[in-house]
Amino acid sequence: DTEVTQTPKHLVMGMTNKKSLKCEQHMGHRAMYWYKQKAKKPPELMFVYSYEKLSINESVPSRFSPECPNSSLLNLHLHALQPEDSALYLCASSPRGGRTSYNEQFFGPGTRLTVL
Amino acid sequence: AQTVTQSQPEMSVQEAETVTLSCTYDTSESDYYLFWYKQPPSRQMILVIRQEAYKQQNATENRFSVNFQKAAKSFSLKISDSQLGDAAMYFCAYRTEGGNDMRFGAGTRLTVKP
Repeated sequence: DTEVTQTPKHLVMGMTNKKSLKCEQHMGHRAMYWYKQKAKKPPELMFVYSYEKLSINESVPSRFSPECPNSSLLNLHLHALQPEDSALYLCASSPRGGRTSYNEQFFGPGTRLTVL
Repeated sequence: AQTVTQSQPEMSVQEAETVTLSCTYDTSESDYYLFWYKQPPSRQMILVIRQEAYKQQNATENRFSVNFQKAAKSFSLKISDSQLGDAAMYFCAYRTEGGNDMRFGAGTRLTVKP
């Protein structure tokens, strides 16, 4: 299995809703990432998990809450979002975190989130 | 802080022709990695090619090759024999040795004309 999967593909939610995005990989990768991507813009890093521990939080508002239950799974819990949070949310994984040889990130197809 | 600059927001190429996408970066590190990612309208980001900074030889992957100029901090992507399926947004990306994050350029939208 050489892919990163994300569910759901599309999500529409109101500002008072609570929802979760899910990301899964079975490549044995030990680093996993959440990115936010607005239309025609590059991905913006949100969170990095390395060996299931949060290693980078790029000053993301607390209405986004990441969780890494195990080395294969990454969740992003959403609560009280704003319309400007509407974007494509990409998950990625890479073989290892920390000091290592080069390793590219493998991206999932993304979840298109719309906040009404 | 490392920055990645792609100065061409849009490029166009005729099918079967060659096109070069530009990328420059700024870093004080000596060990790092550079990547070109492709994101078609279907939105999945796909790695096109990678380059280790310590390697002088330019990376090639079939019709894709890079021109890596470390002193000039330049990393351009050449696509030969362009195909309709090459139409996409191309992102140049940088990652330090041991780093967990990846820095992306603003992207270049490539159109391939039949």
